[in-house]
Amino acid sequence: DTGVSQNPRHKITKRGQNVTFRCDPISEHNRLYWYRQTLGQGPEFLTYFQNEAQLEKSRLLSDRFSAERPKGSFSTLEIQRTEQGDSAMYLCASSATSGSGDEQFFGPGTRLTVL
Amino acid sequence: KQEVTQIPAALSVPEGENLVLNCSFTDSAIYNLQWFRQDPGKGLTSLLLIQSSQREQTSGRLNASLDKSSGRSTLYIAASQPGDSATYLCAVRPIAAGNKLTFGGGTRVLVKP
Repeated sequence: DTGVSQNPRHKITKRGQNVTFRCDPISEHNRLYWYRQTLGQGPEFLTYFQNEAQLEKSRLLSDRFSAERPKGSFSTLEIQRTEQGDSAMYLCASSATSGSGDEQFFGPGTRLTVL
Repeated sequence: KQEVTQIPAALSVPEGENLVLNCSFTDSAIYNLQWFRQDPGKGLTSLLLIQSSQREQTSGRLNASLDKSSGRSTLYIAASQPGDSATYLCAVRPIAAGNKLTFGGGTRVLVKP
């Protein structure tokens, strides 16, 4: 399968714990995005990488959130000291800078539930 | 600030009827607009991407139009099938906002057999 993959698909954690999610983009894509989606809403942008450089962060990304893309391939999103309000679907997307007009392709998401 | 609206929030049609889904956005300065499909609890599947210089795109039974000056896009799905039941989301890539997408809230579609 050459699409965007995310792991884990589901995560249940207790408030105050740290969690980490992984995203593997489509292999030739140099841009990678994280979005968050709550029930009944459209996704909201969190952060964006071009290769290994994190070029933009939303104000939604509090200091408890950190994202990395160390070698310009896969990315991780860590949430420290989780809160119940962090419960959401976390979506990763990737795109190429040419050819497809920067069409973004999404992974299956990681559903986070904070108890 | 770019805002994207999709009305109605939910739609129910009998099988075979054509679907018309609406998307409006407040700032016409966009690079492109994408339509997505989302099944319950799943990720997003890209359906069509329309560049700002284009008026429409077609893929099979799907046709999307873009009127940038009026801030509107419409997704047409011909001869709907029960398998078309899903939430449909539109998203714009605003010129002023770099590479991120701004999404509407989606239209939840039910096609009844």
